[in-house]
Amino acid sequence: EVQLVESGGGLVQPGGSLRLSCAASGFTFSRNSMNWVRQAPGKGLEWVSYISSSSSTIYYADSVKGRFTISRDNAKNSLYLQMNNLRDEDTAVYYCAREGSGSYAYFDDWGQGTLVTVSP
Amino acid sequence: DIQLTQSPSFLSASVGDRVSITCRASQGISRYLAWYQQKLGKAPNLLIYAASTLQSGVPSRFSGSGSGTEFTLTISSLQPEDFATYYCQQLNTYPPAFGQGTKVEI
Repeated sequence: EVQLVESGGGLVQPGGSLRLSCAASGFTFSRNSMNWVRQAPGKGLEWVSYISSSSSTIYYADSVKGRFTISRDNAKNSLYLQMNNLRDEDTAVYYCAREGSGSYAYFDDWGQGTLVTVSP
Repeated sequence: DIQLTQSPSFLSASVGDRVSITCRASQGISRYLAWYQQKLGKAPNLLIYAASTLQSGVPSRFSGSGSGTEFTLTISSLQPEDFATYYCQQLNTYPPAFGQGTKVEI
C-alpha cells in the first residue's frame, strides 16, 4: 500500500522558515516524480512545486519561486520542501502527491497533509 | 499559463440524481485532464485521468469525457458518499493548474 506521510508543519512568523518532509513507502520512490500541492483554509488546491524522479527537472509556482526549494533523497524515500521568507499567504495545508508513471500525468496518491500557519 | 474554469461552483442535488460538472481550459490540453474528489478535512482522491480513464477502485458511476478545451465529469446516480468538492486539473504543461472546485451538496 502506498503511503505518503508529511511532517514539519507548524506556526511560524512572517519572514521565517520551515522545512517540510514527506516520507514515502509502499512503492519504489525513485521511479516517480513528486509534487507539493497546498490548500489555504477554505480555498481550492494550488500546485506548488514538482521534482522529477532523478531531481534533474524542477518547477515552481510563481507564487513561491525564489523562496521555496524542493528536493528529494531517493535513498531515504523522502521528499522535502524548504520554505524561506514565509508570508501570511503561505498559510495552508501542504500535501505531497505522487505523480503516476503512465503516458498521461496525474497525481495518484496524496499524503494526509501538514498545516503551515504563518502569523505574527 | 493555462487556466481552468469549472461550472457550476456549487451544485445542489439529491441521492440518485445524475449530475455533471464542466471544466473549460483556456487553451487546448488534448486529454491531459484529471478529476479529483475531496471530502472535508481529507486529501484529494484521484477519480479520472486522461480525461476519461477511471482510476482503479473508483465506482463506475463516475465517468469523464472531453478533449481539447471542454471536459465533463458525470456521476450517473449520486450516492450519499459523493457529496464532496470536485476539482479538475490540467497536466498538459507546467504549472499543472487546478480548477476552482465544484461543491456538490444536498
